[in-house]
Amino acid sequence: EADIYQTPRYLVIGTGKKITLECSQTMGHDKMYWYQQDPGMELHLIHYSYGVNSTEKGDLSSESTVSRIRTEHFPLTLESARPSHTSQYLCASSAQGWNADTQYFGPGTRLTVL
Amino acid sequence: AQKVTQAQTEISVVEKEDVTLDCVYETRDTTYYLFWYKQPPSGELVFLIRRNSFDEQNEISGRYSWNFQKSTSSFNFTITASQVVDSAVYFCALNDNQGGKLIFGQGTELSVKP
Repeated sequence: EADIYQTPRYLVIGTGKKITLECSQTMGHDKMYWYQQDPGMELHLIHYSYGVNSTEKGDLSSESTVSRIRTEHFPLTLESARPSHTSQYLCASSAQGWNADTQYFGPGTRLTVL
Repeated sequence: AQKVTQAQTEISVVEKEDVTLDCVYETRDTTYYLFWYKQPPSGELVFLIRRNSFDEQNEISGRYSWNFQKSTSSFNFTITASQVVDSAVYFCALNDNQGGKLIFGQGTELSVKP
């Protein structure tokens, strides 16, 4: 059973607001990931981190930013939300070492920008 | 380039029917891992199985079974005697040897009707 948490689960917000989506895991995993999933179902990697102070952009360009100050915490921030940011955001983590370690996912945050 | 294709966008079956979800992958790596995840309506991704490229044995877990065939680059998933609770979107994924990133297929939405 994976212990990875995301808050809020649902967020409805107006255009131009700054938002932070929280992601925490209690498994001591070094690697963490953010995916964006639109209603068309495909998951797209937008950010990942191999450990503290490590952040990389994923395959899908995103206006969001991330930080990794603590191992267990990987928040995602949108400085100025727009309707095009409406989506589901999924956080995941995996152990370090052999690069095929299983990714465990949080419950997701459904973001709606009006 | 690595790629995962799930050609079935939607499948609808009646309870107790068997159903197979197809997954075809492309990779130049000789060592790789394949995964299946389940995404119920609540939104989280639930890990189901990981399979490495050196192990072509089929695997069975309760009503779930997986058929891995390197010769056809396929990793198909069968649910025997389907139940309404199996209704979900199922994703097949391939690890990217560049740091363990996952490449996801487009997902197959399974609907099991009573």
